[in-house]
Amino acid sequence: IAGITQAPTSQILAAGRRMTLRCTQDMRHNAMYWYRQDLGLGLRLIHYSNTAGTTGKGEVPDGYSVSRANTDDFPLTLASAVPSQTSVYFCASKASGSSDTQYFGPGTRLTVL
Amino acid sequence: GQNIDQPTEMTATEGAIVQINCTYQTSGFNGLFWYQQHAGEAPTFLSYNVLDGLEEKGRFSSFLSRSKGYSYLLLKELQMKDSASYLCAVMDSNYQLIWGAGTKLIIKP
Repeated sequence: IAGITQAPTSQILAAGRRMTLRCTQDMRHNAMYWYRQDLGLGLRLIHYSNTAGTTGKGEVPDGYSVSRANTDDFPLTLASAVPSQTSVYFCASKASGSSDTQYFGPGTRLTVL
Repeated sequence: GQNIDQPTEMTATEGAIVQINCTYQTSGFNGLFWYQQHAGEAPTFLSYNVLDGLEEKGRFSSFLSRSKGYSYLLLKELQMKDSASYLCAVMDSNYQLIWGAGTKLIIKP
């Protein structure tokens, strides 16, 4: 059982370029999330999806977009990367209940130059 | 605004006990989670509290007081592998997790 996978593991990107971070889960979880983690700050929610076909904005959505065409995949796209988007990005998923645990992918370390 | 406060860093000795505190002010409360995160890795779930009181799970325990907006994580019989960051997160009225910045725990022999 893989759980949640993310790709790529790390990436260096020139400012202005478009980039898609991939996230796939095999646990049939309904809800999926994208967070960014920066030194000295807590995890911040970028976008989320409560079920396939729906998405919502989190705390820091500007410059990012997501789609949820099916249960398993939840890609995050940076349309035109900027240096302030340099961060570690984590994808997470959970089943439907409010007490259910969020399970995290291994993360993508993104550097925008 | 919503706020989760926890100490930035703590140091403890192998074999000892350490308590990591978390205070919160959020719009609504639907439970409090503690996660462990080793350097360079993803967060992993440790505990969940939604009612007041103490939840014990092996060497780790978590306490919640909703009236005080306060929780703590208690780690007993510390081992070197417990060196990690410990993240406190509160589920708000929208069922989204609000995260603290984490407490880096350093264990010394």
